[in-house]
Amino acid sequence: AQTVTQSQPEMSVQEAETVTLSCTYDTSENNYYLFWYKQPPSRQMILVIRQEAYKQQNATENRFSVNFQKAAKSFSLKISDSQLGDTAMYFCAFIPQRAGTYKYIFGTGTRLKVLA
Amino acid sequence: EPEVTQTPSHQVTQMGQEVILRCVPISNHLYFYWYRQILGQKVEFLVSFYNNEISEKSEIFDDQFSVERPDGSNFTLKIRSTKLEDSAMYFCASSETPSLTGELFFGEGSRLTVL
Repeated sequence: AQTVTQSQPEMSVQEAETVTLSCTYDTSENNYYLFWYKQPPSRQMILVIRQEAYKQQNATENRFSVNFQKAAKSFSLKISDSQLGDTAMYFCAFIPQRAGTYKYIFGTGTRLKVLA
Repeated sequence: EPEVTQTPSHQVTQMGQEVILRCVPISNHLYFYWYRQILGQKVEFLVSFYNNEISEKSEIFDDQFSVERPDGSNFTLKIRSTKLEDSAMYFCASSETPSLTGELFFGEGSRLTVL
C-alpha cells in the first residue's frame, strides 16, 4: 500500500525564520511525483512545489525548497524567510507516474503558524 | 485567474437524506475529482472522472455515491442516503492533463455535517 506520513501535526515559526516540514512516503513504484500543497484558512489548496522522482536535483520555488531523499523516501519542505502569509495547512502528496492512475495520496497535513 | 468553485460551502443534513455537492471546474480542464477530509484525518481520494465516465474510484466510493456532469460545466457528487460518518470536508478538483504530471486545482471545499 502507498502511504504518505506527516509526523508534525502543528508547527510554528517566527517571521523571517526558516522552518522545515517533514514528509515520508512508502511505495514500491520507481517513478512518481511528489507535491506540497498549501491550504490557507478558508481557502483552497494550492500547489507550492513539485518534484519528479527521476530528477536528482531538489526543486525550488522562490522561498520554498525541498530536500528529496529517494532512498530514504523522504520529501521535506523548507520555507525560508517565513512570512505571515505562509500561515496555512501544508499537505504532502504523492502520485505514481503510471498510465491510468489518477489518485493522489495525501498526508494528514501540518498546520504551520508564522508568528509576528 | 480561473478557479474551481464549489457550492454549498456548508451543508447540514439529517442522516438518511440525500445531498448533492456541486462544483464548477476550470473550463478547459478535462479531468475532475472528488476528495474528502474527515476532521483531523488524511485527504482521501474518492473518484476521478474523465470523458463523462468514472476513470478511477476508491473503496470509499460505494453505491451510495455517484457523480455526474449534467450540463458540461457542473460536476456533482451525490450522496444518496447520508450517514454520520459522511461528515467531512469535500473537495472538488480539476486538472488539464492527466494526474501523472499535472497540477490539481482545488475548490475551497464543501463542509458536510450529518446529524
